[in-house]
Amino acid sequence: QSVLTQSPSASGTVGQRVTISCSGGRSNIGTNYVYWYQQLPGTAPKLLIQRNDQRPSGVPDRFSGSKTGTSASLAISGLRSEDEADYYCASWDDSLSGVIFGGGTRLTV
Amino acid sequence: QVQLVESGGGLVKPGGSLRLSCVASGFNFDIYYMIWIRQAPGKGLEWISYISSSGATIYYADSVKGRFTISRDNAKNSLYLHMNSLRVEDTAVYYCGREGPADHWGQGTLVTVSS
Repeated sequence: QSVLTQSPSASGTVGQRVTISCSGGRSNIGTNYVYWYQQLPGTAPKLLIQRNDQRPSGVPDRFSGSKTGTSASLAISGLRSEDEADYYCASWDDSLSGVIFGGGTRLTV
Repeated sequence: QVQLVESGGGLVKPGGSLRLSCVASGFNFDIYYMIWIRQAPGKGLEWISYISSSGATIYYADSVKGRFTISRDNAKNSLYLHMNSLRVEDTAVYYCGREGPADHWGQGTLVTVSS
């Protein structure tokens, strides 16, 4: 059972904007940074957003992250067919002394 | 550029052992803490272990505590995961990651535990 809660699925059409949410608690999102990953089938997860809202170099500005209290969101604007993938949120958890992941959201375009 | 390359996966019987390696390049390995993460077939991501830059501080997920041992050799830019008493439910792709949550991941190595 994941400590961070994500909706199992999301969908949108090409060009639309979609938002994926991630809910946690005080010991994780409430205190630490949130990271977002994209995983295409058969590949390793790729970092999309680090430290709540920072895009690593090479990640398109269509992807954006935000955090409020113990929740975080990933927004994807100008949806493209290649955005169809699994998306995971993650954070350090002070109580567990480890990294925790959301259960993942499968995005269908 | 940052590169992490895992190796050592394979097929092992329940109760068996395996050692995974992760070789790092493109950054100063000895100043970063490292983690291991795994992903069972068709499932989500699970953090399993953390080791500080010096190796002095180590944490494990409850699911592997007492069976897995994380270690590192900074002189060889290498991270290891010694896995003992393997169970069928340990079957997964194992990834090493820089920092936690990881900002860089390896490509993963598949561990299959089956009789």
